[in-house]
Amino acid sequence: EVQLVESGGNLVQPGGSLRLSCAASGFTFSSYWMSWVRQAPGKGLEWVANIKDDGSETYYVDSVKGRFTISRDNAKNSLYLQMSSLRAEDTALYYCARERTRYLYWGQGTLVTVSS
Amino acid sequence: QSALTQPASVSGSPGQSITISCTGTSSDVGGYKYVSWYQQHPGKAPKLMIYEVSNRPSGISNRFSGSKSGNTASLTISGLQPEDEADYYCSSYTSSSTLVFGTGTKVTVL
Repeated sequence: EVQLVESGGNLVQPGGSLRLSCAASGFTFSSYWMSWVRQAPGKGLEWVANIKDDGSETYYVDSVKGRFTISRDNAKNSLYLQMSSLRAEDTALYYCARERTRYLYWGQGTLVTVSS
Repeated sequence: QSALTQPASVSGSPGQSITISCTGTSSDVGGYKYVSWYQQHPGKAPKLMIYEVSNRPSGISNRFSGSKSGNTASLTISGLQPEDEADYYCSSYTSSSTLVFGTGTKVTVL
């Protein structure tokens, strides 16, 4: 059974940093692109970033470029999102999802709240 | 990277058919077959309903169908049922090698 479990969400002050993790199981993690998608409270889905199966390519939505870094550790079956210079508008439930263009598998999400 | 345009809400009676549109540009919807549709119930993670414009994942009812014409993709739900009441989002691959979601549509079963 495919499982994606996010962690690391928390309350953080504006300008602060946070690292999200996504633990994957039930499939060959190193064979798949992985993605982060977020959803602000009461709002729609927003694609954030993705990373190629071997980590050699990464892409970001413009609003997080230069502030967020997506990475992975295939030996640990884990996906990460390092977030810095956080803003109030980054407040959202962050989901990790498997693959690049279609998301059959999602985690349950981890909540990031940016507030003073 | 502007969000794809969807109607804010669509409603229908049980048994009826409804269609949700998703309008983008030639740099996303119009340029690629990688259009997907997701259903999201309150407090739940999104669920993939359609991928690559018109393909259904295993286990998804054939009441859900997808199509595309030019820069606009569409999701049709036939034989509307109470459990279809949810938010629906389209997504598309883009020429920047990124993904973009639609603005979302709330489906109400009257």
